[in-house]
Amino acid sequence: GQNIDQPTEMTATEGAIVQINCTYQTSGFNGLFWYQQHAGEAPTFLSYNVLDGLEEKGRFSSFLSRSKGYSYLLLKELQMKDSASYLCAVRDLGVGTGGFKTIFGAGTRLFVKA
Amino acid sequence: DGGITQSPKYLFRKEGQNVTLSCEQNLNHDAMYWYRQDPGQGLRLIYYSQIVNDFQKGDIAEGYSVSREKKESFPLTVTSAQKNPTAFYLCASFSRQTNTEAFFGQGTRLTVV
Repeated sequence: GQNIDQPTEMTATEGAIVQINCTYQTSGFNGLFWYQQHAGEAPTFLSYNVLDGLEEKGRFSSFLSRSKGYSYLLLKELQMKDSASYLCAVRDLGVGTGGFKTIFGAGTRLFVKA
Repeated sequence: DGGITQSPKYLFRKEGQNVTLSCEQNLNHDAMYWYRQDPGQGLRLIYYSQIVNDFQKGDIAEGYSVSREKKESFPLTVTSAQKNPTAFYLCASFSRQTNTEAFFGQGTRLTVV
């Protein structure tokens, strides 16, 4: 089956850097996604990794190691508006599952303080 | 503009009633998904569909039903068999051809009264 683990909560200071880790177990890995979700709203896409390495997009970067089943999301120059939940999601193409299936972790609530 | 639309945004249901949540997309995406989110929790997969007239159960399908008669539409019915239906429901779609990120609707908040 699939399993995704990420920390429940993190706190960081405005202007700092924070790293949110995600570990996963899956049988047919087909990509890892990070989403940001503010309370009461739909998730918005941040990044996508399917090959090992670092993907950088402005203040956000995401890293993937498929052999270790590990990813992290790096947020630089934190702003108050970055206070949100960050969801790690894995797309899986398992045998007999009827195609692609995207499973989400429970999310990491990030609190940015002044 | 292309996008994915859920309606209604807020829905109230009496205990014992079935209710159907709408999800429509004009992105020409093959794959569509329904997730449930409880307060402070992540997204749990209810049902998903890769093509028209085909769908599979996710991790928490009991008490729910879906149909996929058209590519654009993937309605979710919350039946009276679902014992704790109050939650935030999210619909998503993505293109299997480009295999990029899933796009989400705005969500439907269902409350049983």
